[in-house]
Amino acid sequence: AQRVTQPEKLLSVFKGAPVELKCNYSYSGSPELFWYVQYSRQRLQLLLRHISRESIKGFTADLNKGETSFHLKKPFAQEEDSAMYYCALLSGGYQKVTFGTGTKLQVIP
Amino acid sequence: DTAVSQTPKYLVTQMGNDKSIKCEQNLGHDTMYWYKQDSKKFLKIMFSYNNKELIINETVPNRFSPKSPDKAHLNLHINSLELGDSAVYFCASTPRFLREGRPGELFFGEGSRLTVL
Repeated sequence: AQRVTQPEKLLSVFKGAPVELKCNYSYSGSPELFWYVQYSRQRLQLLLRHISRESIKGFTADLNKGETSFHLKKPFAQEEDSAMYYCALLSGGYQKVTFGTGTKLQVIP
Repeated sequence: DTAVSQTPKYLVTQMGNDKSIKCEQNLGHDTMYWYKQDSKKFLKIMFSYNNKELIINETVPNRFSPKSPDKAHLNLHINSLELGDSAVYFCASTPRFLREGRPGELFFGEGSRLTVL
């Protein structure tokens, strides 16, 4: 069975500081991983997916199969980055998307 | 032109009542989901439908009954509501095939906050 772990419930950083939101997964197949973000009073939306290897709003995430991790990073945090971040894993032919428990990022001005 | 819409946004009801939440998507996606977000913000999959067919049922109590009249709609009916059912329920959809978009990328509704008193 697949599992996604986000060890930090809350991460507080100062504006301009680097950010790293941790995500580890367990899955026997070939994983496809995503980061979703939920800003205050907005719906959940996709931030980025590992297949695209893109940088969105300055965030990047690299899939490390050896460490089974997909950490989300940004070199300089902005106040508007404050939100709830979820790591997610897509598994199987049934399109099951399993979410981690989420990390609340708080950027202190 | 909202992509995934849910109604109602807020629902306050008494224990023991029966209630429904409706979801509609106009993205032409084949696959739709219900997720439950509890007070700790954990997001847990409940059901998934692919073109009106139930494909994922995550050991949800059978008081919860999803219904998909067509591939654009997925409704959730809850019988005999309990205090523990209080949560935000999210509907989501995703394309199944590459020709429709990026499979696995979920598009969420705004959520329906259910409060059981």
